[in-house]
Amino acid sequence: SQQGEEDPQALSIQEGENATMNCSYKTSINNLQWYRQNSGRGLVHLILIRSNEREKHSGRLRVTLDTSKKSSSLLITASRAADTASYFCVLIIQGAQKLVFGQGTRLTINP
Amino acid sequence: EPEVTQTPSHQVTQMGQEVILRCVPISNHLYFYWYRQILGQKVEFLVSFYNNEISEKSEIFDDQFSVERPDGSNFTLKIRSTKLEDSAMYFCASSDILTGVDQPQHFGDGTRLSIL
Repeated sequence: SQQGEEDPQALSIQEGENATMNCSYKTSINNLQWYRQNSGRGLVHLILIRSNEREKHSGRLRVTLDTSKKSSSLLITASRAADTASYFCVLIIQGAQKLVFGQGTRLTINP
Repeated sequence: EPEVTQTPSHQVTQMGQEVILRCVPISNHLYFYWYRQILGQKVEFLVSFYNNEISEKSEIFDDQFSVERPDGSNFTLKIRSTKLEDSAMYFCASSDILTGVDQPQHFGDGTRLSIL
C-alpha cells in the first residue's frame, strides 16, 4: 500500500494543549509530507521530512520520522482553535508523481 | 504568496451534460494535477500533467475525462457526460518540480461539482 495510515482517526483537545498525530506505513519512501485540510477547503502543505532526516521543526510543528519502524508523528504545540482541521501524512515514493491520501486525523481544538 | 485559483467555486450541472473546471496554477510551476474528494471520503488522485501531456492517471480518469492547458496560464478538467457519481470536490494542484524530489504540491480551494 502506498498510503499512510493516520492514528487516531479523531482527536479532541483543549486550546493550549499539544496535539500528537501518528502515521504508519509499509513501503520504502523518499520523503513524507504532512498536509492539512480545513473543512470543505483545499489542502495545505505543512512540512516535508526526507527519509534521511529524523526530526524537523516549523513554527509550532514538529515532525519525526523513524524509517526503521516505518512511522512518523506530527506534534502541534500550544494548539489554537484555528488548528481545527484534518491532517494527512502523504508518502512520497521514488518515481511517483501522485499524492496518496489516507483518511487522516480529524483534530478538534476546543476553546 | 502565490496561490492556485480555481473557478467556479460551485458548479451545478444536469446529468449527461459536459462540464469544464478551470484552474490557474502558480505561474512558474511546471507540473499540474487534479484530485477529487467525494463527500466524506478520501482525496483521490485523478491525473498529472507535464509538458503538455498526461504523465500519470488513475483508474478513475476514464475516457469521459480530459485535461488541457489551453494557454500559458489555465489548466482545465473536462468531464464529457457527467454522471451522478461525479459529484465531488475537485482540487487542482501544481508544483515546480516532480513530486518526490523535494517540493510540495500547492492546492486550490476546489470546485464543488453537483450533478443533478
